Amino acid sequence: EPEVTQTPSHQVTQMGQEVILRCVPISNHLYFYWYRQILGQKVEFLVSFYNNEISEKSEIFDDQFSVERPDGSNFTLKIRSTKLEDSAMYFCASPPGGQVETQYFGPGTRLLVL
Amino acid sequence: AQTVTQSQPEMSVQEAETVTLSCTYDTSESNYYLFWYKQPPSRQMILVIRQEAYKQQNATENRFSVNFQKAAKSFSLKISDSQLGDTAMYFCAFMKTQGGSEKLVFGKGTKLTVNP
Repeated sequence: EPEVTQTPSHQVTQMGQEVILRCVPISNHLYFYWYRQILGQKVEFLVSFYNNEISEKSEIFDDQFSVERPDGSNFTLKIRSTKLEDSAMYFCASPPGGQVETQYFGPGTRLLVL
Repeated sequence: AQTVTQSQPEMSVQEAETVTLSCTYDTSESNYYLFWYKQPPSRQMILVIRQEAYKQQNATENRFSVNFQKAAKSFSLKISDSQLGDTAMYFCAFMKTQGGSEKLVFGKGTKLTVNP
């Protein structure tokens, strides 16, 4: 299975602090996704990114969230002022070139907001 | 909007036996894909199997197979010869497609326990 890596694996932060979650997809990928999973709940779509632009975002993805690809390889999700309810597992997903219908997930970042 | 329903919150099966997990979905799209993802206690999301809606033949991957009933909008997962390592949450997911990649819409999951 194609590899998508994420850093950090765990992050603990204080409410109101900014966090940046990073994803390194397989090379030559064009589509990127962020999903969130609150403990015990289903996986929810946050945002999709194609050709260096947001292509779709969910209601969850409000002004506190942003995504970018600062250096052409890493793909980041920033939460500007974290809230307690942002505590969740955050997954980056990306389909490999030539198989865009199949998204492979990274191992996730477990975010805990205190 | 598409919805995915998994009506079995929890299931259990004896090792070496067969178990079927249910999934139904609602969509007005004609072209789409369906997936089953496995989430073990590590919480990583692992792709199990994929089905293209335009294919009548059910997908199979080793011990995993699906029963895809397009008219009924049903997409069940059958696990044969269950192993202890199959213990995990299983999520059914839907993706519409218009030639590119689209977001996944997930069900709430089924927790499967394989007993020795």
